[in-house]
Amino acid sequence: GAVVSQHPSWVICKSGTSVKIECRSLDFQATTMFWYRQFPKQSLMLMATSNEGSKATYEQGVEKDKFLINHASLTLSTLTVTSAHPEDSSFYICSARDGTGGEETQYFGPGTRLLVL
Amino acid sequence: GEDVEQSLFLSVREGDSSVINCTYTDSSSTYLYWYKQEPGAGLQLLTYIFSNMDMKQDQRLTVLLNKKDKHLSLRIADTQTGDSAIYFCAGYSGGYQKVTFGTGTKLQVIP
Repeated sequence: GAVVSQHPSWVICKSGTSVKIECRSLDFQATTMFWYRQFPKQSLMLMATSNEGSKATYEQGVEKDKFLINHASLTLSTLTVTSAHPEDSSFYICSARDGTGGEETQYFGPGTRLLVL
Repeated sequence: GEDVEQSLFLSVREGDSSVINCTYTDSSSTYLYWYKQEPGAGLQLLTYIFSNMDMKQDQRLTVLLNKKDKHLSLRIADTQTGDSAIYFCAGYSGGYQKVTFGTGTKLQVIP
């Protein structure tokens, strides 16, 4: 089946630095990718919808200048957490939509755990 | 890691009840979630249940959890055409500290 990968799986960084997380669809082209954030022991929160070749659509309350999303190709979307602070520590999950074959399926990446010191 | 499985498709008539089923493998899952994905949109949380609960009701939604069988279900009463969507169950494992999603069940509501 389709696979979505994320890199890195774990990242620890100092406060004030920027961190880039990659989301790749490995065997299909994803015109749309989604970025989610999960706080400890809570459910996922949709952060933004990323469409290939256009600007991401951010959910209310998500700072677009803080969480930069780039979807430059049909297989890669990146999330950059700029000037990270400890409150940005979280689990970030991407998903990619496969719309080929007439049926739409969404596949989830394994997630990236970010710890900001 | 955990496996979460769902049936792929369910079709019901408007006004009937829908029951979407999910099985999981990790008995240490502490939270179990149901998400809804409408066409063209991302996931939205519908409801969740703690692993120490058997049932949770929220308006038209009823979640049943059978921990012994590792089975989770979502019942939608009086299903409406607006309920047509893909429904994902997911489990949060404190041990792995991650959320694992099922494959999604596409619910089709026939007027």
